[in-house]
Amino acid sequence: EVQLVESGGGLVQRGGSLRLSCAASGFTFSRYWMSWVRQAPGKGLEWVANIKQDGSEKYYVDSVKGRFTISRDNAKNSLHLQMNSLRAEDTAVYYCARATPHTLYSGMYYFDYWGQGTLVTVSS
Amino acid sequence: SYELTQPPSVSVSPGQTASITCSGDKLGDRYTCWYQQRPGQSPVLVIYQDNKRPSGIPERFSGSNSGNTATLTISGTQAMDEADYYCQAWDRSNVIFGGGTKLTVL
Repeated sequence: EVQLVESGGGLVQRGGSLRLSCAASGFTFSRYWMSWVRQAPGKGLEWVANIKQDGSEKYYVDSVKGRFTISRDNAKNSLHLQMNSLRAEDTAVYYCARATPHTLYSGMYYFDYWGQGTLVTVSS
Repeated sequence: SYELTQPPSVSVSPGQTASITCSGDKLGDRYTCWYQQRPGQSPVLVIYQDNKRPSGIPERFSGSNSGNTATLTISGTQAMDEADYYCQAWDRSNVIFGGGTKLTVL
């Protein structure tokens, strides 16, 4: 059974840092792109970052570039998100998600498994 | 930047058909998927590759994608289908979500 379990959320002051983790199990972690997606209270889903299977490619939404860093440890089946210079608008539930390609060479993906999410609250 | 537009809300009577649209420039040239999110829960994939259902998703969920519009159709809508629905596409290694549609079954 595929499982994604996030941890590391909490209350942090504006300008502070937090490191989120996602423990993956039930599948070969190193074969998949992985992503972080967030959802502010009462708002919609917002993609945050992607990382390729071997960590060689990383992509971010413009609003977090230079502040957030996505990383992975394939030996430990874990995904991370280092968040620095946090702002009030970063307050959200952060989900870890597995990305699967629609077709083998499409270069387009969907999220077939999601974690339960971890809440990050940035106080101003 | 690429954008996906959804209606904020759609209402449907039980047993009727609900259609939720997702619009974007030449969206039909991309694969689209759909997620259902009930209050307090994580999103669940209901449609991928425009029109395919993951295992465990009821047959009443279907999808299409052509031109500038993708559509999620729920036939014989049930009360349990009341939720937020999000479309999603991929744009040059970035992920784009629609703003979400709240489906009300009344």
